[in-house]
Amino acid sequence: GAGVSQSPSNKVTEKGKDVELRCDPISGHTALYWYRQRLGQGLEFLIYFQGNSAPDKSGLPSDRFSAERTGESVSTLTIQRTQQEDSAVYLCASSFTPGLGTDTQYFGPGTRLTVL
Amino acid sequence: ILNVEQSPQSLHVQEGDSTNFTCSFPSSNFYALHWYRWETAKSPEALFVMTLNGDEKKKGRISATLNTKEGYSYLYIKGSQPEDSATYLCAFKGTYKYIFGTGTRLKVLA
Repeated sequence: GAGVSQSPSNKVTEKGKDVELRCDPISGHTALYWYRQRLGQGLEFLIYFQGNSAPDKSGLPSDRFSAERTGESVSTLTIQRTQQEDSAVYLCASSFTPGLGTDTQYFGPGTRLTVL
Repeated sequence: ILNVEQSPQSLHVQEGDSTNFTCSFPSSNFYALHWYRWETAKSPEALFVMTLNGDEKKKGRISATLNTKEGYSYLYIKGSQPEDSATYLCAFKGTYKYIFGTGTRLKVLA
């Protein structure tokens, strides 16, 4: 596809369950970002992958959150033992060359996660 | 704590009106300032990337200015149209990760 895709588009889960969110970046983009937006708040950085370098996990809010990316392809964000405060829209973005912050990030449509 | 603030939080204007919003960001360790447009049920779409103090960028009826010394950027929309209704996000890139503002929600009334 031409753009960043994410699945599922919506996920409703019960508190305590694990969820896995998927992101397919634009082909050839070396950088991949995960963000989330909770109701009434700004986009919150979660994790950043750049090529084969170690990811920047500094934004992950707890050890219940983890993400993987194989090479420059698909990434999955896993949330274990979900809590109600995890309810948010989870956005993935990719960019071609991270550079010094001038790269344009192309966003996916997001996954809306609701934890009951 | 690095903070990016946008104002106003939301805005209603009549079709044809011109409007502007503000993004305030840290004035130190500046690398870039991004503006995005986020329509409901769609992905955020990049509008501008600004790097130099005094930069002005324009795309159609939308333009933006940048002041890195005082830490603010303005986004202007001339002759607003209903299709301009969206949330406008700014993102500051400093030494580390991107920091996004909470956005300005614009509603243009026909």
